[in-house]
Amino acid sequence: QVQLQESGPGLVKPSETLSLTCIVSGGSISNYYWSWIRQSPGRGLEWIGYIYYSGTTKYNPSLESRVTISVDTSNNQFSLKLSSVTAADTAVYFCAKTSTMARGVIYYAFDIWGQGTMVTVSS
Amino acid sequence: EIVLTQSPGTLSLSPGERATLSCRASQSVTSTYLAWYQQKPGQAPRLLIFGASSRATGIPDRFSGSGSGTDFTLTISRLEPEDFAVFYCQQFETSPWTFGQGTKVEIK
Repeated sequence: QVQLQESGPGLVKPSETLSLTCIVSGGSISNYYWSWIRQSPGRGLEWIGYIYYSGTTKYNPSLESRVTISVDTSNNQFSLKLSSVTAADTAVYFCAKTSTMARGVIYYAFDIWGQGTMVTVSS
Repeated sequence: EIVLTQSPGTLSLSPGERATLSCRASQSVTSTYLAWYQQKPGQAPRLLIFGASSRATGIPDRFSGSGSGTDFTLTISRLEPEDFAVFYCQQFETSPWTFGQGTKVEIK
């Protein structure tokens, strides 16, 4: 059973870069899409972007200028960098597997989630 | 951006009752690209339904999804104590992928 675990600093200073890593265990990172999603009381659940194991990415246009998602297939993990953070970026950040298969067909779905990590932006 | 509006905001029901949750999209969503999630306090969301009507692995058959176009429904046929939580719909039709604001199902 695939499991995901986020890691990274819980406190980031304004204007600095937020960096998180998601380690995939119990299965291969290959052949799937992987996303970052965040949740805050003011913004609800917000999809940040995804990466395919081959490196193809797609980002939320509202964050695209500040986001980079990368993949490290040799270590079965993927990462998020969000630059120039402000207090509005304070949230719980989740990583999620972004596709599932049923009856031989691949569907988009956030079918497996990490437990989430709280990131606070504050000086 | 597709806006998903969920109603009602809060549903107060008793165990054993039927819950009907609505998700309305600001533009048409292909059924293949509509999912529902359940979230309990302090936990990550859990996938319930994908493709508008397919149950995810391990999800009891009291959960069902239906709908097409701009109107989708999640039904819980008989509420169990562990079902009380917040439920979100979510679309993969167009970027950015978006979530509804959630419906809280609370114990009456």
